[in-house]
Amino acid sequence: AQSVTQLDSQVPVFEEAPVELRCNYSSSVSVYLFWYVQYPNQGLQLLLKYLSGSTLVESINGFEAEFNKSQTSFHLRKPSVHISDTAEYFCAVTHTGGFKTIFGAGTRLFVKA
Amino acid sequence: DTAVSQTPKYLVTQMGNDKSIKCEQNLGHDTMYWYKQDSKKFLKIMFSYNNKELIINETVPNRFSPKSPDKAHLNLHINSLELGDSAVYFCASSHHGQSNYGYTFGSGTRLTVV
Repeated sequence: AQSVTQLDSQVPVFEEAPVELRCNYSSSVSVYLFWYVQYPNQGLQLLLKYLSGSTLVESINGFEAEFNKSQTSFHLRKPSVHISDTAEYFCAVTHTGGFKTIFGAGTRLFVKA
Repeated sequence: DTAVSQTPKYLVTQMGNDKSIKCEQNLGHDTMYWYKQDSKKFLKIMFSYNNKELIINETVPNRFSPKSPDKAHLNLHINSLELGDSAVYFCASSHHGQSNYGYTFGSGTRLTVV
């Protein structure tokens, strides 16, 4: 069975500062890894995903995440955040070939002016 | 043009009532899901249907009954509503067996039981 741990429930950060949201997973089989973002009063949107190949994946709005197999981590980073990045971020894992996605508990990113 | 649409967006009802939430997707996906998000934002899968067949049925009270009339629709009926059912319910869809695509979520239905 898979599990996902997001190590921080809340991350406050000032605008234009860098940020890292941490995610660790546990699985006995190969997995796909995802980050989703949920803005207030909205559904979740896929931010980026790791399937295979290059361990560094990027989104269109400046976020990146790095898959580290030895540490079973998939941390999300952004070098300079904006107020508009304030949202809940969810790390998720799916067994390759499976159809059930397990979500972490979420990390609330709060960007302050 | 909404890809995954849920109705209603808000639902306030009294304990003991029966209510339904509807979900429709126009993405051509063959798998649909219901997730429950509690007040602490924790997301828990409830059900999944693939081509109208139930494929995931997590430990959920049998007051909750999903129904999929076709692969583009997945409804959720809840009987005898309880205070603890208050949450945001999200519908999602994907291609079955293509877990690398991720899910497309609806905007949620906020259920409040009073």
